[in-house]
Amino acid sequence: DAKTTQPNSMESNEEEPVHLPCNHSTISGTDYIHWYRQLPSQGPEYVIHGLTSNVNNRMASLAIAEDRKSSTLILHRATLRDAAVYYCILRSTYNTDKLIFGTGTRLQVFP
Amino acid sequence: DVKVTQSSRYLVKRTGEKVFLECVQDMDHENMFWYRQDPGLGLRLIYFSYDVKMKEKGDIPEGYSVSREKKERFSLILESASTNQTSMYLCASSPRQIRYGYTFGSGTRLTVV
Repeated sequence: DAKTTQPNSMESNEEEPVHLPCNHSTISGTDYIHWYRQLPSQGPEYVIHGLTSNVNNRMASLAIAEDRKSSTLILHRATLRDAAVYYCILRSTYNTDKLIFGTGTRLQVFP
Repeated sequence: DVKVTQSSRYLVKRTGEKVFLECVQDMDHENMFWYRQDPGLGLRLIYFSYDVKMKEKGDIPEGYSVSREKKERFSLILESASTNQTSMYLCASSPRQIRYGYTFGSGTRLTVV
């Protein structure tokens, strides 16, 4: 399974944009890039996913590099409720369809 | 709201007991998964299922088994609970189509004493 690399932690102030990076240099052509987040004492929550083009939804935006070896999750205006661990995961149906979680990025948001 | 429901939020069991963790989804999803989450180790996949009566081993299946007799229900079984199985257990489901995400339950915190 292709691996992802994320910083262990990041900090932001409320109302500021947050850019969470993810490297996936061994990504294959069939791998989708998924992002999940886990709030304290809860199960992970789906945020967004993409294949090649940038994606937007009500929660966040996903910017994918042209060579697909990296991506960035963008929270446009961080709130205290966005404090969570964010996981970048590659999902492929080439072999078996399963999510393999890394250690993620712990985002702290300060008032 | 679509849901994945895990039968217990907290559970305390004794070493050697047989433990059943139940998970039910109401979204008609084909795929279901069991993970455990431990500090410093993140989420690790135990077992998954693509369809009724089908199961596949994940990364850490030892000491566990699963059952999927109905599409909406996926059970994790600890045949003889041990203290190293104390953990947070998370169930998830997803449609077969890759363009959709996984939906997770809130988790069951199991303590084996």
